[in-house]
Amino acid sequence: GQQVQQSPASLVLQEGENAELQCNFSSTATQLQWFYQSPGGSLVSLLSNPSGTKHTGRLTSTTVTKERRSSLHISSSQTTDSGTYLCATTTSGGNYKPTFGKGTSLVVHP
Amino acid sequence: GALVYQYPRRTICKSGTSMRMECQAVGFQATSVAWYRQSPQKTFELIALSTVNSAIKYEQNFTQEKFPISHPNLSFSSMTVLNAYLEDRGLYLCGARAGTETLYFGSGTRLTVL
Repeated sequence: GQQVQQSPASLVLQEGENAELQCNFSSTATQLQWFYQSPGGSLVSLLSNPSGTKHTGRLTSTTVTKERRSSLHISSSQTTDSGTYLCATTTSGGNYKPTFGKGTSLVVHP
Repeated sequence: GALVYQYPRRTICKSGTSMRMECQAVGFQATSVAWYRQSPQKTFELIALSTVNSAIKYEQNFTQEKFPISHPNLSFSSMTVLNAYLEDRGLYLCGARAGTETLYFGSGTRLTVL
C-alpha cells in the first residue's frame, strides 16, 4: 500500500524563521493534502495540492507529482504555528482513502 | 462551503463500556465516509470506508464487531467503539466526500478510557 514519509520528524525554530517540511510518498498521488494538528488534537486542513504550487497566507506548498514529493513552506513563523503538520495522499488505484504520514512536530519559540 | 462536524469533541468512558461518535456533513452529499484513529504517538490509521449503497469495508485489524458503523443517509454517519479498553484511546476522525472529491475532515473525537 501507499507509504508516506515526512521529514524532519521535528523542527524547532525561533519566531520569524522560515520552515520547510517535506513529504515523500511511494505511489503516484491523485490527491495530496496538508493538515495542521493543534497540540490539543484538532485537525485543520491547510492546503489541497496534488500538483504544482499553491499559496495561502504564509504557506506555500509545492508538489512534484512525477517525483512523488511535496513540500510545505511556512514563512515568518509565529509561536501559534507550533503543532504537528501532517501530509496525506490518495493514490489513483485506491478507493480514495488518504494515507497519512507520521507528521512533523514544529515548535516555534518567541 | 463544505463542512464536516464531529461530536462529541471529547468523551470519557469506563473500561468495558461503549461509546458512539457522530459525523455530520454540511453543504455537500457525503457519498463516502472514512473513519480513522490516531492512537498516542502514532499517525492516523484508517478503520473503515463506508460508501452509500455499498458494503462498509474495514481495514486489517479493525472489525465491524468492534467498530460498527452506520451511514443511513448522505449527511450523517456514526461509529461506535464497543467494549472500549485502554488500547482504544485516541483521536477518532471522520472524513466525508461527495463522489471522488477531496475528503473533508471533522475536528475529531478524543476518547479517553478509564
